[in-house]
Amino acid sequence: DGGITQSPKYLFRKEGQNVTLSCEQNLNHDAMYWYRQDPGQGLRLIYYSQIVNDFQKGDIAEGYSVSREKKESFPLTVTSAQKNPTAFYLCASSPGTSQETQYFGPGTRLLVL
Amino acid sequence: AQSVTQLDSQVPVFEEAPVELRCNYSSSVSVYLFWYVQYPNQGLQLLLKYLSGSTLVKGINGFEAEFNKSQTSFHLRKPSVHISDTAEYFCAVSEGYSTLTFGKGTMLLVSP
Repeated sequence: DGGITQSPKYLFRKEGQNVTLSCEQNLNHDAMYWYRQDPGQGLRLIYYSQIVNDFQKGDIAEGYSVSREKKESFPLTVTSAQKNPTAFYLCASSPGTSQETQYFGPGTRLLVL
Repeated sequence: AQSVTQLDSQVPVFEEAPVELRCNYSSSVSVYLFWYVQYPNQGLQLLLKYLSGSTLVKGINGFEAEFNKSQTSFHLRKPSVHISDTAEYFCAVSEGYSTLTFGKGTMLLVSP
């Protein structure tokens, strides 16, 4: 069954702590994306990757980091530099071009203790 | 730069009534337009998209949208809504090789 998985569903972060959100896809898609969703703000692009070992900053990359060592995986690290990390984080993938549909995972909700 | 405006943050309707969710975009070049739906605490799912050709696009669950280039709009419509259509709806645009830009969303609230 093809799709995108995100884990964990809920994640708690303490002050000064880095946390990593997992995103895996078995759709054989080249492109992967991370979005942040806040109430009333829509989705804002954090980072995206169009090919393995390459990624670009989106609109709100400060305080976040990513890696793309494998085609299937695109983990997002929320660093301690991100001062307001509480949000719903969505991972997506697509075959590659801007015409293509993006397929979304179920999301991870990050909360600060 | 591309941008999307969804004019209504919430649209309340009664079951079996028609609905229109409005979306306007700004772009200096040809665009690709999308509508996505998000049910509570879930990811987004594509409803429909316009790439080229016919300006009336039909999607899943009985939704359709019309691309109007002169008015730079891509409004979403359904002739008769169900309780199960209660969700948040996002309009999105991309141009050329750019990434998607999403609107802020419209919450559709269907009541009996």
